[in-house]
Amino acid sequence: ETAVFQTPNYHVTQVGNEVSFNCKQTLGHDTMYWYKQDSKKLLKIMFSYNNKQLIVNETVPRRFSPQSSDKAHLNLRIKSVEPEDSAVYLCASSFYEQYFGPGTRLTVL
Amino acid sequence: GDSVTQTEGLVTVTEGLPVKLNCTYQTTYLTIAFFWYVQYLNEAPQVLLKSSTDNKRTEHQGFHATLHKSSSSFHLQKSSAQLSDSALYYCALMAGNTGKLIFGLGTTLQVQP
Repeated sequence: ETAVFQTPNYHVTQVGNEVSFNCKQTLGHDTMYWYKQDSKKLLKIMFSYNNKQLIVNETVPRRFSPQSSDKAHLNLRIKSVEPEDSAVYLCASSFYEQYFGPGTRLTVL
Repeated sequence: GDSVTQTEGLVTVTEGLPVKLNCTYQTTYLTIAFFWYVQYLNEAPQVLLKSSTDNKRTEHQGFHATLHKSSSSFHLQKSSAQLSDSALYYCALMAGNTGKLIFGLGTTLQVQP
């Protein structure tokens, strides 16, 4: 039963374009995360938000920016995509264990 | 820094035989919790097992794991692998109270007939 929703499922774009991904959770959790899963399946945290406050900002390029309107929503914007941004972006939320969304697969041509 | 090591990138086992996926860790935190996540093809990672108690076996869906702080390990085992177990398995450490998870590189389990 899906409780972390992500849109879109897939996105294909060209180098230099801006993209935005949306994430919503209906679990009532205070903390949400963005992860990047690369082609080798390496899963690495990018950002963490607790009740709209950024609490972890891992070393990611400045073109990535998280946006949160409330504790149930955490979006991710990439200002000018590059080829190495091609990956699956996973959103998660937690009270203790983390629940993941289905991911958004980004392909940069 | 904190780290999680999964030594095998790919484990292939015949259906019905036992399987063991290795996971070791390094951390300076005293309060830790461990998770095994499983990711089936084209699906989201989901929690398979979790533990924060030293030397206590935890079980779910036929899999089991025991956190051993003395050896810094949380290996995943199953006595009889099923074809449906084929998936990507991540070991993850939650160190302290940050809620942040540190994942291993993942182990792909292939169960063959």
